[in-house]
Amino acid sequence: GAVVSQHPSWVICKSGTSVKIECRSLDFQATTMFWYRQFPKQSLMLMATSNEGSKATYEQGVEKDKFLINHASLTLSTLTVTSAHPEDSSFYICSAPSGLTTDTQYFGPGTRLTVL
Amino acid sequence: AQTVTQSQPEMSVQEAETVTLSCTYDTSESDYYLFWYKQPPSRQMILVIRQEAYKQQNATENRFSVNFQKAAKSFSLKISDSQLGDAAMYFCAYRANNNDMRFGAGTRLTVKP
Repeated sequence: GAVVSQHPSWVICKSGTSVKIECRSLDFQATTMFWYRQFPKQSLMLMATSNEGSKATYEQGVEKDKFLINHASLTLSTLTVTSAHPEDSSFYICSAPSGLTTDTQYFGPGTRLTVL
Repeated sequence: AQTVTQSQPEMSVQEAETVTLSCTYDTSESDYYLFWYKQPPSRQMILVIRQEAYKQQNATENRFSVNFQKAAKSFSLKISDSQLGDAAMYFCAYRANNNDMRFGAGTRLTVKP
């Protein structure tokens, strides 16, 4: 099956700093990737849709200036949490539809962000 | 707006027995896809099974099968011969042609030895 990786798997940062999370499709190309946020014991909430070569589409209530998304190539999307605060601490997961069956999303292993 | 509802926050099953997890959804689309994902403690989302709405035949994957009732907008997951490794959070998900996937709140499955 299609493989999606994320880096880092866990990051701790100080309040006010910025953190970049990478999402890569390893064995397929993805013109679209998705970023989700998951709080403990809750479901995945879609934050934004990342589009290769164009602007990301953000869900209602998600601050685009705080969560910067860049999809510079067909295999890489990045999410930058700017001026992070403790309330941004969460589990961030990316996904991409595979090139073989684009109706199915394949997920990265997630990134745990802790903001002190 | 499309919504996905999982009414069972927690379920428990005895090892080797069968358990059914419920899921209902709301949509005005006629063409869409439904999924069940498993999230073990590692938090890696793993695809369990998928169903195309245009197919009347229920999808099966080894010990996992679904009961898809399109008119009732119901999509339940049946796990047969439950194994300890099946213990996890299970999420029902819906996706229409716009590629946007929506998830239910999840059901935590415990498997008792």
